[in-house]
Amino acid sequence: KQEVTQIPAALSVPEGENLVLNCSFTDSAIYNLQWFRQDPGKGLTSLLLIQSSQREQTSGRLNASLDKSSGRSTLYIAASQPGDSATYLCAVAGAGGTSYGKLTFGQGTILTVHP
Amino acid sequence: DTEVTQTPKHLVMGMTNKKSLKCEQHMGHRAMYWYKQKAKKPPELMFVYSYEKLSINESVPSRFSPECPNSSLLNLHLHALQPEDSALYLCASSQGLSYGYTFGSGTRLTVV
Repeated sequence: KQEVTQIPAALSVPEGENLVLNCSFTDSAIYNLQWFRQDPGKGLTSLLLIQSSQREQTSGRLNASLDKSSGRSTLYIAASQPGDSATYLCAVAGAGGTSYGKLTFGQGTILTVHP
Repeated sequence: DTEVTQTPKHLVMGMTNKKSLKCEQHMGHRAMYWYKQKAKKPPELMFVYSYEKLSINESVPSRFSPECPNSSLLNLHLHALQPEDSALYLCASSQGLSYGYTFGSGTRLTVV
């Protein structure tokens, strides 16, 4: 069964800092990995999608990397802003076994960026 | 249209009521999903529909009944729910297994 772990569980930083969120997964049989943002009580907003054959994706101040063989991904946020405060979720799309066809989420990292 | 639309946004229902949640997408996606999210927890998969057929049921109690009338619409029928079923119910869609997911904004359900 696929397990996804995110570290740290919570992070509080001053505005302007660069930061890294970590995600690890146990089963490398995946189609892709997706990073989401969730504001309190809201739905999920997709930030970046990395296919299993790719190493990284970039969108604005966000950069995500994927090392499928080691089961790791990182989300890098440059020059953080208070508006970045949210919960960040990592999710992998299973390509085999009991995880086939399922999106499995990590527990999330709660990010607070203070002015 | 690049959105998944869920209605209603909020729902309060009694334990003897019958209600339905609705999800709609017009992106031509052929896979649609229901997730349940409790407070401070990640979303948990409930059901997967692929080409309008139920392909995954994660052992969800029968008081939750999904329906996919057509490729754009997904319903979740609720009956005789318990207070512990109170949660945020999220709908999502994708072009297929190897594609990214698009989520709706959810329905906040409270069972009293």
